[in-house]
Amino acid sequence: AIQMTQSPSSLSASVGDRVTITCRASQVIRNDLGWYQQKPGKAPKLLIYAASSLQSGVPSRFSGSGSGTDFALTISSLQPEDFATYYCLQDYSYPWTFGQGTKVEIK
Amino acid sequence: QVRLQESGPGLVRPSETLSLTCSVSGDSITSSYWIWIRQPPGGGLEWIGYIYYTGSPNYNPSLNSRVTMSVDTSKNQFSLKLSSVTAADTAVYYCARRGGSSSTGYYYYYLDVWGKGTTVTVSS
Repeated sequence: AIQMTQSPSSLSASVGDRVTITCRASQVIRNDLGWYQQKPGKAPKLLIYAASSLQSGVPSRFSGSGSGTDFALTISSLQPEDFATYYCLQDYSYPWTFGQGTKVEIK
Repeated sequence: QVRLQESGPGLVRPSETLSLTCSVSGDSITSSYWIWIRQPPGGGLEWIGYIYYTGSPNYNPSLNSRVTMSVDTSKNQFSLKLSSVTAADTAVYYCARRGGSSSTGYYYYYLDVWGKGTTVTVSS
Protein backbone atom coordinates (compact mmCIF):
# COMPACT_ATOMS: atom_id res chain seq x y z
CA ALA A 1 0.00 0.00 0.00
CA ILE A 2 1.07 3.57 -0.71
CA GLN A 3 2.13 5.40 2.44
CA MET A 4 1.13 9.02 2.90
CA THR A 5 3.23 11.12 5.26
CA GLN A 6 1.74 14.40 6.43
CA SER A 7 3.54 17.19 8.19
CA PRO A 8 3.38 18.75 10.60
CA SER A 9 1.20 16.54 12.82
CA SER A 10 -0.05 19.67 14.55
CA LEU A 11 0.41 23.40 14.36
CA SER A 12 -0.71 26.49 16.23
CA ALA A 13 -1.72 29.53 14.25
CA SER A 14 -3.64 32.76 14.61
CA VAL A 15 -6.65 34.02 12.72
CA GLY A 16 -5.41 35.64 9.52
CA ASP A 17 -2.27 33.52 9.27
CA ARG A 18 -1.25 31.71 6.12
CA VAL A 19 -0.99 27.99 6.82
CA THR A 20 0.56 25.24 4.72
CA ILE A 21 0.28 21.49 5.32
CA THR A 22 2.27 19.04 3.28
CA CYS A 23 1.74 15.43 2.27
CA ARG A 24 4.30 13.11 0.70
CA ALA A 25 3.49 9.84 -1.05
CA SER A 26 5.77 6.81 -0.91
CA GLN A 27 5.52 6.51 -4.70
CA VAL A 28 4.33 8.62 -7.61
CA ILE A 29 0.56 9.14 -7.52
CA ARG A 30 0.25 11.67 -10.36
CA ASN A 31 -2.23 14.21 -8.95
CA ASP A 32 -4.65 11.67 -7.51
CA LEU A 33 -4.88 13.31 -4.11
CA GLY A 34 -7.58 14.95 -2.06
CA TRP A 35 -7.69 17.02 1.09
CA TYR A 36 -10.36 16.62 3.78
CA GLN A 37 -11.25 18.68 6.82
CA GLN A 38 -12.60 17.07 9.96
CA LYS A 39 -14.05 18.85 12.97
CA PRO A 40 -14.51 17.07 16.31
CA GLY A 41 -17.41 14.63 16.29
CA LYS A 42 -18.09 15.20 12.59
CA ALA A 43 -17.43 13.32 9.40
CA PRO A 44 -14.62 14.52 7.15
CA LYS A 45 -15.50 17.03 4.46
CA LEU A 46 -13.97 17.16 1.00
CA LEU A 47 -12.04 20.39 0.31
CA ILE A 48 -9.78 19.65 -2.65
CA TYR A 49 -9.63 16.85 -5.23
CA ALA A 50 -7.20 16.10 -8.05
CA ALA A 51 -4.56 17.85 -5.93
CA SER A 52 -5.71 21.37 -6.81
CA SER A 53 -9.41 21.40 -7.75
CA LEU A 54 -11.61 23.19 -5.25
CA GLN A 55 -14.77 21.30 -4.31
CA SER A 56 -17.96 23.22 -4.93
CA GLY A 57 -18.92 25.42 -1.98
CA VAL A 58 -15.47 25.42 -0.39
CA PRO A 59 -14.05 28.91 0.29
CA SER A 60 -11.36 30.11 -2.09
CA ARG A 61 -8.90 30.65 0.77
CA PHE A 62 -8.25 26.91 0.49
CA SER A 63 -5.92 25.82 -2.29
CA GLY A 64 -4.00 22.71 -3.18
CA SER A 65 -0.84 22.13 -5.15
CA GLY A 66 1.60 19.45 -6.13
CA SER A 67 1.97 16.42 -8.34
CA GLY A 68 3.93 13.19 -8.28
CA THR A 69 4.88 12.60 -4.65
CA ASP A 70 4.73 16.01 -2.96
CA PHE A 71 1.57 17.94 -2.24
CA ALA A 72 0.44 20.88 -0.16
CA LEU A 73 -2.75 22.36 1.22
CA THR A 74 -2.66 26.10 1.86
CA ILE A 75 -5.11 28.22 3.78
CA SER A 76 -4.39 31.79 2.73
CA SER A 77 -5.98 33.53 5.71
CA LEU A 78 -7.00 31.29 8.57
CA GLN A 79 -10.54 31.82 9.83
CA PRO A 80 -12.03 30.73 13.17
CA GLU A 81 -14.04 27.98 11.49
CA ASP A 82 -10.86 26.49 9.96
CA PHE A 83 -9.53 25.12 13.23
CA ALA A 84 -9.83 21.40 12.59
CA THR A 85 -7.85 18.34 11.57
CA TYR A 86 -6.86 17.97 7.92
CA TYR A 87 -6.16 14.72 6.08
CA CYS A 88 -4.76 13.95 2.67
CA LEU A 89 -6.04 10.90 0.81
CA GLN A 90 -4.44 9.25 -2.20
CA ASP A 91 -6.88 7.75 -4.70
CA TYR A 92 -4.26 6.61 -7.20
CA SER A 93 -4.42 2.95 -6.23
CA TYR A 94 -6.28 0.67 -3.88
CA PRO A 95 -6.24 0.50 -0.96
CA TRP A 96 -6.75 4.25 -0.76
CA THR A 97 -4.62 5.58 2.08
CA PHE A 98 -4.84 8.64 4.29
CA GLY A 99 -2.14 10.73 5.83
CA GLN A 100 -2.04 10.65 9.61
CA GLY A 101 -3.66 14.06 9.91
CA THR A 102 -2.64 17.60 10.84
CA LYS A 103 -4.41 19.29 13.71
CA VAL A 104 -4.65 23.05 13.32
CA GLU A 105 -5.07 24.72 16.70
CA ILE A 106 -5.59 28.27 17.86
CA LYS A 107 -2.46 30.08 19.03
CA GLN B 1 -29.52 16.24 -1.64
CA VAL B 2 -27.70 12.95 -1.13
CA ARG B 3 -27.68 11.60 2.41
CA LEU B 4 -26.05 8.55 3.93
CA GLN B 5 -27.03 7.05 7.28
CA GLU B 6 -25.15 4.31 9.09
CA SER B 7 -26.98 1.95 11.41
CA GLY B 8 -26.15 -1.08 13.50
CA PRO B 9 -25.28 -2.26 17.01
CA GLY B 10 -23.09 0.05 19.05
CA LEU B 11 -21.64 -2.81 21.07
CA VAL B 12 -20.18 -6.04 19.74
CA ARG B 13 -18.63 -8.86 21.76
CA PRO B 14 -15.06 -9.94 21.00
CA SER B 15 -14.80 -12.71 18.37
CA GLU B 16 -18.29 -11.92 17.03
CA THR B 17 -19.24 -10.25 13.76
CA LEU B 18 -19.80 -6.52 13.41
CA SER B 19 -22.67 -5.71 11.04
CA LEU B 20 -23.48 -2.22 9.75
CA THR B 21 -25.80 -0.88 7.10
CA CYS B 22 -25.65 2.38 5.19
CA SER B 23 -28.94 3.72 3.85
CA VAL B 24 -28.71 5.96 0.82
CA SER B 25 -31.25 8.67 0.00
CA GLY B 26 -31.21 11.16 -2.85
CA ASP B 27 -29.15 8.89 -5.10
CA SER B 28 -29.44 5.43 -6.56
CA ILE B 29 -27.26 2.70 -5.10
CA THR B 30 -26.53 1.64 -8.69
CA SER B 31 -25.02 4.99 -9.69
CA SER B 32 -21.80 5.02 -7.68
CA TYR B 33 -19.19 3.10 -5.79
CA TRP B 34 -19.76 2.99 -2.04
CA ILE B 35 -17.06 3.08 0.59
CA TRP B 36 -16.57 2.14 4.23
CA ILE B 37 -14.00 3.99 6.36
CA ARG B 38 -13.27 3.78 10.05
CA GLN B 39 -11.56 5.90 12.68
CA PRO B 40 -10.42 4.53 16.06
CA PRO B 41 -10.78 6.76 19.11
CA GLY B 42 -8.31 9.63 18.82
CA GLY B 43 -6.86 8.10 15.67
CA GLY B 44 -6.68 8.60 11.95
CA LEU B 45 -8.81 7.39 9.08
CA GLU B 46 -8.60 3.91 7.56
CA TRP B 47 -10.13 2.91 4.23
CA ILE B 48 -11.92 -0.43 4.65
CA GLY B 49 -13.09 -1.04 1.10
CA TYR B 50 -15.57 -0.30 -1.65
CA ILE B 51 -18.45 -2.03 -3.33
CA TYR B 52 -20.36 -1.50 -6.53
CA TYR B 53 -23.74 -3.08 -7.22
CA THR B 54 -22.14 -5.37 -9.80
CA GLY B 55 -18.68 -6.90 -9.88
CA SER B 56 -16.37 -7.75 -7.02
CA PRO B 57 -15.81 -5.54 -4.01
CA ASN B 58 -12.33 -4.35 -3.12
CA TYR B 59 -11.12 -4.67 0.46
CA ASN B 60 -8.14 -3.32 2.33
CA PRO B 61 -5.63 -6.20 2.52
CA SER B 62 -5.11 -5.41 6.19
CA LEU B 63 -8.71 -6.56 6.83
CA ASN B 64 -9.34 -8.64 3.72
CA SER B 65 -9.96 -12.01 5.33
CA ARG B 66 -12.49 -10.60 7.80
CA VAL B 67 -14.48 -8.16 5.65
CA THR B 68 -17.58 -8.72 3.56
CA MET B 69 -19.53 -5.97 1.80
CA SER B 70 -22.82 -6.29 -0.02
CA VAL B 71 -25.46 -4.17 -1.77
CA ASP B 72 -29.24 -4.41 -1.49
CA THR B 73 -30.63 -2.59 -4.50
CA SER B 74 -34.24 -3.10 -3.39
CA LYS B 75 -33.58 -1.12 -0.22
CA ASN B 76 -30.98 1.28 -1.67
CA GLN B 77 -28.56 0.17 1.03
CA PHE B 78 -25.12 -1.33 1.34
CA SER B 79 -23.63 -3.26 4.22
CA LEU B 80 -20.43 -4.11 6.02
CA LYS B 81 -19.63 -7.25 7.98
CA LEU B 82 -16.39 -7.60 9.93
CA SER B 83 -15.81 -10.96 11.56
CA SER B 84 -13.75 -12.06 14.57
CA VAL B 85 -13.63 -8.57 16.02
CA THR B 86 -11.26 -7.50 18.77
CA ALA B 87 -10.87 -4.32 20.78
CA ALA B 88 -8.72 -2.97 17.94
CA ASP B 89 -11.87 -2.80 15.80
CA THR B 90 -13.44 -0.26 18.16
CA ALA B 91 -13.97 2.82 16.00
CA VAL B 92 -16.36 5.25 14.39
CA TYR B 93 -17.46 3.68 11.13
CA TYR B 94 -18.35 5.94 8.20
CA CYS B 95 -19.97 5.15 4.90
CA ALA B 96 -19.23 7.41 1.96
CA ARG B 97 -19.88 7.84 -1.75
CA ARG B 98 -17.11 7.78 -4.30
CA GLY B 99 -17.73 10.75 -6.52
CA GLY B 100 -15.85 11.56 -9.66
CA SER B 101 -15.27 14.08 -12.37
CA SER B 102 -13.42 14.09 -15.65
CA SER B 103 -10.81 16.48 -16.91
CA THR B 104 -8.73 16.25 -20.09
CA GLY B 105 -9.68 12.63 -20.57
CA TYR B 106 -8.76 11.56 -17.07
CA TYR B 107 -11.21 10.68 -14.33
CA TYR B 108 -10.65 11.88 -10.77
CA TYR B 109 -12.22 10.28 -7.74
CA TYR B 110 -12.98 11.52 -4.25
CA LEU B 111 -15.28 10.98 -1.28
CA ASP B 112 -17.90 13.67 -1.72
CA VAL B 113 -20.73 12.51 0.54
CA TRP B 114 -20.27 11.00 3.99
CA GLY B 115 -22.59 9.61 6.62
CA LYS B 116 -22.40 11.05 10.11
CA GLY B 117 -20.66 7.94 11.39
CA THR B 118 -21.63 5.35 13.95
CA THR B 119 -19.58 4.33 16.97
CA VAL B 120 -18.91 0.64 17.44
CA THR B 121 -17.33 -0.59 20.65
CA VAL B 122 -15.92 -4.10 20.94
CA SER B 123 -16.15 -5.24 24.54
CA SER B 124 -17.39 -8.12 26.61
